[in-house]
Amino acid sequence: DTEVTQTPKHLVMGMTNKKSLKCEQHMGHRAMYWYKQKAKKPPELMFVYSYEKLSINESVPSRFSPECPNSSLLNLHLHALQPEDSALYLCASSKGGGGPGYEQYFGPGTRLTVT
Amino acid sequence: TQLLEQSPQFLSIQEGENLTVYCNSSSVFSSLQWYRQEPGEGPVLLVTVVTGGEVKKLKRLTFQFGDARKDSSLHITAAQPGDTGLYLCAGGVDYKLSFGAGTTVTVRA
Repeated sequence: DTEVTQTPKHLVMGMTNKKSLKCEQHMGHRAMYWYKQKAKKPPELMFVYSYEKLSINESVPSRFSPECPNSSLLNLHLHALQPEDSALYLCASSKGGGGPGYEQYFGPGTRLTVT
Repeated sequence: TQLLEQSPQFLSIQEGENLTVYCNSSSVFSSLQWYRQEPGEGPVLLVTVVTGGEVKKLKRLTFQFGDARKDSSLHITAAQPGDTGLYLCAGGVDYKLSFGAGTTVTVRA
């Protein structure tokens, strides 16, 4: 099973709302990732969790707040977003480590629209 | 600055034709992945190449990893409309994947 699930599939929120994106994997992977992707562009890394600890934050604005409650779950809390934050948000997981451990398995994404 | 340069950026071909996408870097990678992504969906892992000079085949798709592990190519034989999508190469560095800019492939019926 190489499935990563994400909810919701679509989200429309106002600039004053608070919402959360959820991601789950049951592959026993120890690294999980959040990416932001604009149309026709490659995914841009936002955060990396390794063994449930935040290991990389790519200078993401504080209006995005990640959380890793356990090794299978990853959340992204959203607050006071801007219209330019509208994008496809992707979650991914990997075994971790080098070589084939870099293989990342992506979820289907959440299409976020900020109005 | 992207570590991986993909070419071409866009490719539009007729069904049945062959195509090749290139992924080049000045850096050495311990492994390199190829993904295909359809609009509104997440990237789907096609293959991982690890050994320099390695060739892997997946039905009509052939992947090569350069001897020096700095470059890779994806060749599709007899392309079909179902091959349409954004093709991304990615190399692993310290828990991070460095993505190429992507190649948008359109196969016309």
